[in-house]
Amino acid sequence: DAGVIQSPRHEVTEMGQEVTLRCKPISGHNSLFWYRQTMMRGLELLIYFNNNVPIDDSGMPEDRFSAKMPNASFSTLKIQPSEPRDSAVYFCASSLWGAGVNTDTQYFGPGTRLTVL
Amino acid sequence: DQQVKQNSPSLSVQEGRISILNCDYTNSMFDYFLWYKKYPAEGPTFLISISSIKDKNEDGRFTVFLNKSAKHLSLHIVPSQPGDSAVYFCAASEGGNKLVFGAGTILRVKS
Repeated sequence: DAGVIQSPRHEVTEMGQEVTLRCKPISGHNSLFWYRQTMMRGLELLIYFNNNVPIDDSGMPEDRFSAKMPNASFSTLKIQPSEPRDSAVYFCASSLWGAGVNTDTQYFGPGTRLTVL
Repeated sequence: DQQVKQNSPSLSVQEGRISILNCDYTNSMFDYFLWYKKYPAEGPTFLISISSIKDKNEDGRFTVFLNKSAKHLSLHIVPSQPGDSAVYFCAASEGGNKLVFGAGTILRVKS
């Protein structure tokens, strides 16, 4: 049973370049979350979707960050233009949310380590 | 303002002994609490959870205790094993599916 899939696992880019991170949630899950992990701030929620609709994007740091979920099996997080302070590990997580179901357990992907030079 | 706090950045324990990881929260609306474990180069994995209607939940070597009046929860690992060495994150939610995470505690179990 495949878990959450993220690509690429590592990304090295130069300042000013566009970066696109990809996520495939667990099949059947209807909620998807993007997190960023840094030494200073730990795990921060950037944005989450329910049934492909963005619900809360208050954690998105700047307009340079955008996220989409065109269908139930795919999401992207884009940074344009990228800056060195965006260097971090970005995690995608998914969960099954709804009445009668444990709504709070999220399952994480392996993360994408982004380095912006 | 951090709603979930893990005040100990790291903890070192001898193999076979008890590990106690602590977590404090400020939001009284939180009603569900989780612990995640994270190994290097991997994503966090769910470990154990507890609802606010309970004060204890046990799963094998792992027990989570919740003290609502003190807004405090703890994770006990007994006995600790070297494979338990990881970063442990405390998380909380207030009824929806959005989790708020603490900064994490690095646990080192020495053999």
